[in-house]
Amino acid sequence: EPEVTQTPSHQVTQMGQEVILRCVPISNHLYFYWYRQILGQKVEFLVSFYNNEISEKSEIFDDQFSVERPDGSNFTLKIRSTKLEDSAMYFCASSVLPSGGGLLNTGELFFGEGSRLTVL
Amino acid sequence: AQSVTQLGSHVSVSEGALVLLRCNYSSSVPPYLFWYVQYPNQGLQLLLKYTTGATLVKGINGFEAEFKKSETSFHLTKPSAHMSDAAEYFCAVKGNNDMRFGAGTRLTVKP
Repeated sequence: EPEVTQTPSHQVTQMGQEVILRCVPISNHLYFYWYRQILGQKVEFLVSFYNNEISEKSEIFDDQFSVERPDGSNFTLKIRSTKLEDSAMYFCASSVLPSGGGLLNTGELFFGEGSRLTVL
Repeated sequence: AQSVTQLGSHVSVSEGALVLLRCNYSSSVPPYLFWYVQYPNQGLQLLLKYTTGATLVKGINGFEAEFKKSETSFHLTKPSAHMSDAAEYFCAVKGNNDMRFGAGTRLTVKP
């Protein structure tokens, strides 16, 4: 069964360092997402990405964050200068289409296993 | 904008008892609703979803949920809890460009 894969599964970094989290979405999916879950808290939307540009972003997704699809398979989240409060589990997700798309599109997001980021 | 609210951050039941996890939604358009489960140290797994059609939807592991438009609810139930059901459960509603999650309900199952 196709799945979303994320690397690394766990990264430890020093405050102020740059971090890149990588995701390989399901191959025929067109919409990509990043979500964040701080330990013990809710899953928060960060950004959605379609057709090589950001579709929507939350207030959390400030200038220190960026996303990129550098090739036909990877989808990356970069945190430019990490802060202690960036420590969280980051989930990548993909879907066929975000909305509309007829009866075939039920809008389900497929999630990866997550990348745990620890900022010291 | 679409949103969901989960009532109760923590639910505890005995093994074999009914599981009821509550979710209410807010949406200006007919909603697509989902329940995801997260086991410890794992990602999010889809339990079930409601899009159109039958309002009672069945998912994996014996879970089901009923969409009630009049009550703007999409509560998750399971007739008989199993120890392996202990996890965090998230209700979600699909927006135009993303999916919005509730705060989550942690289910504990006592032997």
